[in-house]
Amino acid sequence: EVQLVESGGVVVQPGGSLRLSCAASGFTFDDYAMHWVRQAPGKGLEWVSLISWDGGSTYYADSVKGRFTISRDNSKNSLYLQMNSLRAEDTALYYCAKDKRLRFVSYYFDYWGQGTLVTVSS
Amino acid sequence: QLVLTQSPSASASLGASVKLTCTLSSGHSSYAIAWHQQQPEKGPRYLMKLNSDGSHSKGDGIPDRFSGSSSGAERYLTISSLQSEDEADYYCQTWGTGTVVFGGGTKLTVL
Repeated sequence: EVQLVESGGVVVQPGGSLRLSCAASGFTFDDYAMHWVRQAPGKGLEWVSLISWDGGSTYYADSVKGRFTISRDNSKNSLYLQMNSLRAEDTALYYCAKDKRLRFVSYYFDYWGQGTLVTVSS
Repeated sequence: QLVLTQSPSASASLGASVKLTCTLSSGHSSYAIAWHQQQPEKGPRYLMKLNSDGSHSKGDGIPDRFSGSSSGAERYLTISSLQSEDEADYYCQTWGTGTVVFGGGTKLTVL
C-alpha cells in the first residue's frame, strides 16, 4: 500500500524558514518523480514544485521560485521542501504527491498524502 | 496561457447521475487532464487520467460509477448512481513542460 506522510508544518513568522518532509512507503521511491501541492484555507489546489526520480530536474511555481527548494533523499525514501522568506500567503496545507509514471515525469499524481499545515503569522 | 475552468458548484440527487465539466483554455484543446476528488477534511484522491479522445485510465479502486469523456476543449467527469460519499470537491488538473495547472474545483452536493 502506497503511503505518503508529511510532517514539519508549524506556525512561523513572516520572513522565517521551515523544512517540510514527506516519508514514502509502499513503492520503489527512487523510480518516481514527486510533487508538492498546497491548499490555502478554504481555497483550491495549487501546484508548488516537482523533482524527478533521480533529483536531477526540479521545477517550481512562479509564486515560490527563488524562495523554496525541493529535494529528495532516495536512501531514506524521503522528499523535502525547504521554505525560506515565508509570507502570509504561503499559509496552506502542504501535500506531497507521487507522480504516476515510472522513471518519467508525467506531471500528474496517483497518490497523495494527508498534508501538513504551515501557518505564517506574527 | 494554460488555464482550466470549472463551475464552482453542482448538485444532484442520491442515486442519480451528474456530469462535471472542465474546460481547457484556447489553443490547448488537445491536452490530457487528470481528475481528483477531495472529500471533506481529507487529502485529494486520484480518479483518472482523461485524454482528448475520451480514453481514460482510472486509479486503483475507483468504482465503475466514475467515467470520463471529452469533446473539443471540454473534459467531463460523470458519476452515476450517486452516493452520499460522492459529496466532495472535484478538481481537474493539466500540465505543460515544467508546470502543473489546477482548475478551481467544483463542489458537488448530493441531495
